[in-house]
Amino acid sequence: GAVVSQHPSWVICKSGTSVKIECRSLDFQATTMFWYRQFPKQSLMLMATSNEGSKATYEQGVEKDKFLINHASLTLSTLTVTSAHPEDSSFYICSAARTSYEQYFGPGTRLTVT
Amino acid sequence: RKEVEQDPGPFNVPEGATVAFNCTYSNSASQSFFWYRQDCRKEPKLLMSVYSSGNEDGRFTAQLNRASQYISLLIRDSKLSDSATYLCVVNPGNQFYFGTGTSLTVIP
Repeated sequence: GAVVSQHPSWVICKSGTSVKIECRSLDFQATTMFWYRQFPKQSLMLMATSNEGSKATYEQGVEKDKFLINHASLTLSTLTVTSAHPEDSSFYICSAARTSYEQYFGPGTRLTVT
Repeated sequence: RKEVEQDPGPFNVPEGATVAFNCTYSNSASQSFFWYRQDCRKEPKLLMSVYSSGNEDGRFTAQLNRASQYISLLIRDSKLSDSATYLCVVNPGNQFYFGTGTSLTVIP
């Protein structure tokens, strides 16, 4: 159990377009999901904490108007990168918390903005 | 001060060697501790939770020292397949904080 999926796994888009990434917990309900970004050879950086039915909590330095997060159900959270630019190219990973102390990661989405 | 600090390495060890990683955390109220393994271009995968009494899973042993606020991971009889980045994760109750990861390469 405890499977988390992400879609798409890889996306290439042109500068200025918006990209939506979906994170789903397949076999459990997750009231909390986390969105991370990872640049090459660096650790995961938490972008925001997403709670079902409420607004996401963004980490310092993360623009909430640029990275729109929607957590509409207990099994789905989405991250939309609006007006993407090349510097947004990164590996975006979500995780879903089954309990306060258990989290499971999605396989990640590699975003390349040209 | 960072929530979690790790030596990034890299650690290059021969096959069969024993290697140990340490990680320190700043929040003394932290209750949950984990070691994750991340392979290149993949998501982190839980390797093991760390319990107060220490715990072992095959060749892997994790220990927690609350007084000094550090956790450790010991890998015995290293295999080539152990090559990865090992992430220390601490949860003070409402969020997961990651270390920068320690890179391990096991050499034939």
